[in-house]
Amino acid sequence: GAVVSQHPSRVICKSGTSVKIECRSLDFQATTMFWYRQFPKKSLMLMATSNEGSKATYEQGVEKDKFLINHASLTLSTLTVTSAHPEDSSFYICSARDGNERNTQYFGPGTRLTVL
Amino acid sequence: GQNIDQPTEMTATEGAIVQINCTYQTSGFNGLFWYQQHAGEAPTFLSYNVLDGLEEKGRFSSFLSRSKGYSYLLLKELQMKDSASYLCAVMDSNYQLIWGAGTKLIIKP
Repeated sequence: GAVVSQHPSRVICKSGTSVKIECRSLDFQATTMFWYRQFPKKSLMLMATSNEGSKATYEQGVEKDKFLINHASLTLSTLTVTSAHPEDSSFYICSARDGNERNTQYFGPGTRLTVL
Repeated sequence: GQNIDQPTEMTATEGAIVQINCTYQTSGFNGLFWYQQHAGEAPTFLSYNVLDGLEEKGRFSSFLSRSKGYSYLLLKELQMKDSASYLCAVMDSNYQLIWGAGTKLIIKP
């Protein structure tokens, strides 16, 4: 099946710094990628949807200036958490949709962010 | 509004059968997904239903009734490794996944 990778898998940073998370589709072209956030014992919360070559669409309540999303190619999307604070600590998961399969999303393994 | 309901937690015995229900109300329907998620890991795909009926895949089966806005995931011959959260998600008319809160399944020996 299709594979999506995420890097890094874990990151610990100091408050005020920025962190970049990469999401790559390894064996297919992802025209659309999704970024989710998950708090402990809670379900996935969609943060934003990004389409290759265009600006991301953010869900209500998600600060686009804080969570910068770039989908520069058909295989790579990045999420940058700017000026991170402890409340940004969470599990961030990306998923990617193959352009030929609208009904499928392939998930990355997730990134555990801890902000001290 | 859009809504996905599933039980918060269920407990079952190793070797037994358990059924996890999911009801939904969404704007449009392009299929219903079940995912398994172990603690600290990303969800993994279990099943996809877009037509009414039962889809069987090994020990796991998923059922869908579109007219009732209802699905269930059936797990047979439960194993300890099946202890996880099971997430129901519906793809709406915009091909966006709407997620349920997940059902935590606890397997006891």
